[in-house]
Amino acid sequence: DTGVSQNPRHKITKRGQNVTFRCDPISEHNRLYWYRQTLGQGPEFLTYFQNEAQLEKSRLLSDRFSAERPKGSFSTLEIQRTEQGDSAMYLCASSRVPRDTQETQYFGPGTRLLVL
Amino acid sequence: KNEVEQSPQNLTAQEGEFITINCSYSVGISALHWLQQHPGGGIVSLFMLSSGKKKHGRLIATINIQEKHSSLHITASHPRDSAVYICAVEQDTGNQFYFGTGTSLTVIP
Repeated sequence: DTGVSQNPRHKITKRGQNVTFRCDPISEHNRLYWYRQTLGQGPEFLTYFQNEAQLEKSRLLSDRFSAERPKGSFSTLEIQRTEQGDSAMYLCASSRVPRDTQETQYFGPGTRLLVL
Repeated sequence: KNEVEQSPQNLTAQEGEFITINCSYSVGISALHWLQQHPGGGIVSLFMLSSGKKKHGRLIATINIQEKHSSLHITASHPRDSAVYICAVEQDTGNQFYFGTGTSLTVIP
């Protein structure tokens, strides 16, 4: 247990439905990252927040994806009108900036999404 | 085109062997990360490097910034080291992260 929690751990939905995932980072961490990982591939960066500000968004993040971190603590990732290609593991990570020399990003257990 | 390439993709070793996993990248970076992912998806951060060499227990990570190359070494490998090892780089402009596809390591007793 890294201290980063994600809910739900699994989600099965029908194509076209909206889904929302939540990430609770380590409390003193000011940076929060979202990644997507498909089977057999490395994670892909989606977006990250510093406190409540969304500082970077990947070109992978289509208009159907939106992420928020309203109070600079937990974050939500919403996917609207899900497609089968959205099926993946969605990973959240948090870190503290400036970084310690050894500590980097702490990853949550992920939310596995299956779109039928 | 992948910004980060890892080799080998799969590696099987006998317990006790010395293991090397390689990572090459093509972008300018502010840091390189080595991550370990166990079956079931949990990811653990092993190292963050911006230069030189770091050691933690039986794990050693090196980076050559000029050659844009990093290696992860495992000495006296053990079956519990079996996992996927992922190299990731943090681009020096824009804070994008790029990940390799991982090296799947199996250590046989």
